[in-house]
Formats: sequence, C-alpha cells, structure tokens
Amino acid sequence: GAGVSQSPSNKVTEKGKDVELRCDPISGHTALYWYRQSLGQGLEFLIYFQGNSAPDKSGLPSDRFSAERTGGSVSTLTIQRTQQEDSAVYLCASSLRGRRDEKLFFGSGTQLSVL
Amino acid sequence: GENVEQHPSTLSVQEGDSAVIKCTYSDSASNYFPWYKQELGKRPQLIIDIRSNVGEKKDQRIAVTLNKTAKHFSLHITETQPEDSAVYFCAASKAVANDYKLSFGAGTTVTVRA
Repeated sequence: GAGVSQSPSNKVTEKGKDVELRCDPISGHTALYWYRQSLGQGLEFLIYFQGNSAPDKSGLPSDRFSAERTGGSVSTLTIQRTQQEDSAVYLCASSLRGRRDEKLFFGSGTQLSVL
Repeated sequence: GENVEQHPSTLSVQEGDSAVIKCTYSDSASNYFPWYKQELGKRPQLIIDIRSNVGEKKDQRIAVTLNKTAKHFSLHITETQPEDSAVYFCAASKAVANDYKLSFGAGTTVTVRA
C-alpha cells in the first residue's frame, strides 16, 4: 500500500469495554511496531513483530493488552476492560526488515478516549 | 534499558533564528540516533539520523551532532521557517542481537513565530 494504515482513526469507548485497533503495514515490511503516545509524553514502545512472531512483549502495560499479527501483514492490538489511563494515541509503524537503524514508517494513529 | 532525555520540552523561536534540541542517553552501547518530526495532526516522520561512527551530519537547514563521550546528541535547525513548527522526537538504539526497538525522548514542541 501507499503507507501504513490504521483504523479506526478515533475511538471513544466506555470504561470496562474491550477495543480492537487495527494496523495495516506497508506491503513487504516484515517488522511491525506498536507505540503509545500519551499527551505530552514521548513514544512508548508496546510490542514488536517480526513476521507473525512477537519476540518482545515486555512493553505491554498490563495483561489487559494483547496483540497479534496474521499473514505477516495486518496486526490487531486489543485492550480488554479499558481504563481511563488507556486514553492515548496508539501508533503503528513498520519497517522493511526490522533492523534497528531502519527508517520507521508510522501510521496516523488511533486516538483512543476512554470515558 | 535505554533512557533518553530530551530538552527543552517546548521551544519558541523567531522566524529566521536557529533552534537547538538536545538529547542525552544512558546506554554507552547505543549507536544509532534518529530524529522524527511530527507536525500537528500528522504522523511522525524521520528527518535525519546519525550513527556513532560520525560526529556530525547535515541536510540542508538541519544538522545533528553527536558527542559519544558525553552521551548526548543535538538537532540544529537554522533559518527556521513556519513549516518547522512541530514536535521533534529524538531516539536511540544499539546494535545488539534482537535489540531492535528505539527508545524515544519525550519530544520538543517547536513553535516558529512569524
């Protein structure tokens, strides 16, 4: 595709509900990253996929957060029993091979608001 | 893990003046330092990067300098223009097997006054 696509762009949910955020990386990119951007904060690393495997899940804030990637392409970040502190922009990025000195291509993000 | 600190958090400059953002990192093994720019409502984009075997790199009006001894690197924007207004993030990573993630600073909001 032309770039990394994320959906929805905005999500408003009630506390306690589950949400799913979707990321469609650039075609052919093997590496996919999820970051969280809270107001006034930097980019907090959540999880990294190389293909369909997630070698490092240490950035996930709690066991309410999970992610999967299928077919080496689309990834879904799921937040269960959402809390107000989960409100943030969730950014997805992809890179060609996942090398640390590779350019990351970011999506536009999903603005999550938990009421 | 790596800890990247970025200063200042906000920076206001007059159009035409220079802007400097400084980042420090904690892990001496870090060897790759990119800078991302995020304009309001848009996605972050890589604007320049530097590797530890280089002390300075320039690209038109932007430059990055690296001081490995002091473990800090800086972004310099000269002759600032309104389109330079954005949030700038520095980051650091190291060449260790399976260590692929960038550690980002908290960001600097740059405002260029006309």
